[in-house]
Order: sequence, then C-alpha cells, then structure tokens
Amino acid sequence: EVVLTQSPATLSLSSGERATLSCRASQSVNTFLGWYQQKPGQPPRLLIYDTSNRATGVPARFSGSGSGTDFTLTISSLEPEDFAVYYCQQRNYWPRTFGQGTKVEIK
Amino acid sequence: QVQLQQSGPGLVKPSQTLSLTCTVSGGSFSSPVHYWNWIRQHPTKGLEWIGYIYHSGSTYYNPSLKSRVTISLDTSKNQFSLNLYFVTAADTAVYYCARDGYNDFFDSWGQGTQVIVSS
Repeated sequence: EVVLTQSPATLSLSSGERATLSCRASQSVNTFLGWYQQKPGQPPRLLIYDTSNRATGVPARFSGSGSGTDFTLTISSLEPEDFAVYYCQQRNYWPRTFGQGTKVEIK
Repeated sequence: QVQLQQSGPGLVKPSQTLSLTCTVSGGSFSSPVHYWNWIRQHPTKGLEWIGYIYHSGSTYYNPSLKSRVTISLDTSKNQFSLNLYFVTAADTAVYYCARDGYNDFFDSWGQGTQVIVSS
C-alpha cells in the first residue's frame, strides 16, 4: 500500500503566520491527493482534493500544490480556527491511505 | 445536504463482533456517483480506511482487514452497516462512516463512534 509521510509532526505558529505542511508518498500518486482538517471531537473535514482544488466552502487562504510524490498544503495567514490536525490522503491506489497527521498548534 | 448518522454499541467484548450502522439522509444514497465507506481512527495509528459498499451492493475491503469485515446495505432504510468479527483490543478506535463524493474523496462524515474492545 502507499505510505504517506507527513512533516513536520507539529508546527508551532502564531495567528497571521504562514503554515507550510508537507506530505510525501512512497510512490507516485499523480495528483490524486487530498487534505483534511480535524478538530478535537470532530470527524475530518475535506479541504483540498486532487492536489489543489478547494472543497466547497473552504477559504482561499488554504492552497495545495505538488505532484507525483511530494505535496504541500499552505495556509497563507493562520486564523484562530485553523489550529487543528491536518491529514493528507491519496486516492490513486486501493486501499486508500492517510498520512499520520501534522498538528498546527498555537505558539 | 447529505447527513450521516451513526449508531451502535461503544463497548464490545474480545472475540465478538463489532456492529455499526450508518443512516444516510439528504437524498444521495442510491446515486451511482457515491461509494459508502467505513474508516477508523486509532489513538496512535491514525486514520485507516476499512472498506466501501456501492449502491449495487458491491464491496471492497482493505486487505489488512478483509478476512474479518463485512459491509452490507439496506436501501429501504438508507443504511449501510459494518461488521468486524473476532475483535481484539487492537480494534479499539473511533469508527466513522463517510461518503466518497463527486471528487472521490471523503466529503461527508458521520459523527464518529468510539468503540472500546474490553471484557
């Protein structure tokens, strides 16, 4: 199965700062990678699909890039509600797999 | 807007069967576009996709769980269900049902069910 490795495990930033999260795949997933946000006690919420497409209702400060094995989620200016855990997920192969998550915490 | 509501016990004894149901409202259950999934989240191992069922009844399971999983469908009730057999403590997790949306990612989720395997 495709292993997704996210880095860093934890990102400590302040509101207003830029967050850059990385996801690396063990083999090419083309552009079929997505990102989710999860807050405590809630299910994950889809943010980005197919590398760079924002899901319905997702603010423009969230953007995604990459292809093949290396992908990035960027939050251009952190809002208080953005402090959460972020997961990447690939849909190029079965079984669907997720990264282990990056926690974006308040510095 | 589609909503997924989960039901089922939060405590299961070792070697028994974990059974959860997801009820879908909002009109997309029989759509040929969507797949209906179960996903679990371990405290330390992260998110693991368990399997899906299609409106036709066809299924596909994660090979790591395939020998112990069944996902079934009740279209008359707009429900799909998960059975995980012969559970152990390693199956303790939060279980989610989720819809595979138009973009083939999980765009709608149930609220989650914490399942603890313990005697």
